[in-house]
Amino acid sequence: AQSVTQPDIHITVSEGASLELRCNYSYGATPYLFWYVQSPGQGLQLLLKYFSGDTLVQGIKGFEAEFKRSQSSFNLRKPSVHWSDAAEYFCAVGALNRDDKIIFGKGTRLHILP
Amino acid sequence: SQTIHQWPATLVQPVGSPLSLECTVEGTSNPNLYWYRQAAGRGLQLLFYSVGIGQISSEVPQNLSASRPQDRQFILSSKKLLLSDSGFYLCAWSVGSASRGYTFGSGTRLTVV
Repeated sequence: AQSVTQPDIHITVSEGASLELRCNYSYGATPYLFWYVQSPGQGLQLLLKYFSGDTLVQGIKGFEAEFKRSQSSFNLRKPSVHWSDAAEYFCAVGALNRDDKIIFGKGTRLHILP
Repeated sequence: SQTIHQWPATLVQPVGSPLSLECTVEGTSNPNLYWYRQAAGRGLQLLFYSVGIGQISSEVPQNLSASRPQDRQFILSSKKLLLSDSGFYLCAWSVGSASRGYTFGSGTRLTVV
């Protein structure tokens, strides 16, 4: 069965600093991987997704993520965070079958120091 | 373009009262539809999903039910709300396999008092 682990519940970084949010997955085949962002009181917005090909994926808002099969990881990065990046971030893994679901991690809340 | 509508945005209901949350999708056909609940500090919990009209799969036993009376309409209901039903409810849709990702509605904040 698929599973996703986000080991950090909270992360605090200073504005302008670099960011890396960790995500590890468990899945028997090549997974479909996603990062979503949720601002307070809002729905989830897709930041980026990986299906195949280049293991470094570019997303919206200056985010990128790197798929590392050997480490079963899909970490999210941003070179310089802005105060508006403060939100909760969810990593997720999906599968091929039509009625399969996407499994979400428990989320990492990002705090930005001015 | 495809859009998803979810209402109401906020709801305060007394314990024991009924519940009906509605989600509709526009601009697509035969979507997969999902209901999630998000409680503080507990991430996203999948409650129900549907791959077609009248087809509902329940992920966890609970006080809630779901129905899909039309292709692009998904309803979350309860006959009698419990305090533990409080949370943030999100509807989502996808087309084809989950590999394309989900598109989420803006959510409903339900407070049971």
